[in-house]
Amino acid sequence: GNSVTQMEGPVTLSEEAFLTINCTYTATGYPSLFWYVQYPGEGLQLLLKATKADDKGSNKGFEATYRKETTSFHLEKGSVQVSDSAVYFCALRNQGGKLIFGQGTELSVKP
Amino acid sequence: GAVVSQHPSWVICKSGTSVKIECRSLDFQATTMFWYRQFPKQSLMLMATSNEGSKATYEQGVEKDKFLINHASLTLSTLTVTSAHPEDSSFYICSARPGTGGSNEKLFFGSGTQLSVL
Repeated sequence: GNSVTQMEGPVTLSEEAFLTINCTYTATGYPSLFWYVQYPGEGLQLLLKATKADDKGSNKGFEATYRKETTSFHLEKGSVQVSDSAVYFCALRNQGGKLIFGQGTELSVKP
Repeated sequence: GAVVSQHPSWVICKSGTSVKIECRSLDFQATTMFWYRQFPKQSLMLMATSNEGSKATYEQGVEKDKFLINHASLTLSTLTVTSAHPEDSSFYICSARPGTGGSNEKLFFGSGTQLSVL
């Protein structure tokens, strides 16, 4: 079946550090891939997406590349800020149109 | 941007009681809303799809008589956990899709409800 696995959190970084949050998936066909972010007290928001192999999604300094050969969609940011502290969810959209989420990874950025 | 309001944000209840969680789209109409549940360190799992004016569609393994969903208007869906037990303690999130169709990626999420059943 379809599933998404993320690295476990919490991830704690200092401001301006490099961020990687790993995400791998299992799916039939070629799903679209997403990263959502949930800031404290708010709902999940779409951060970026990629719809086919080798696509790179980017937004707010975050990037993720759709790697079909490794079935991965790792989230990266070159220099994190305190305001990036949030929970990040990796997700895929399956052939039926449903969103399948990972367990979320909490990021805490210290000044 | 579009906002989805979910209440309450947390609730503690006694075993055997029922708890209602509301999900409102504040500035758009949503024919379809979704309810998710997340246990600690596990994935956010889709429980059911709520369609305005019709019965909800439940995912495999979700008891429809335990998790009652009502989507009586285009801006409100409710999830009632009936006869709650400690194993129902979880984080519940709703999401709403604007309009009457479209991609599931254009979803707006509530901030979630943490339910603790004693």
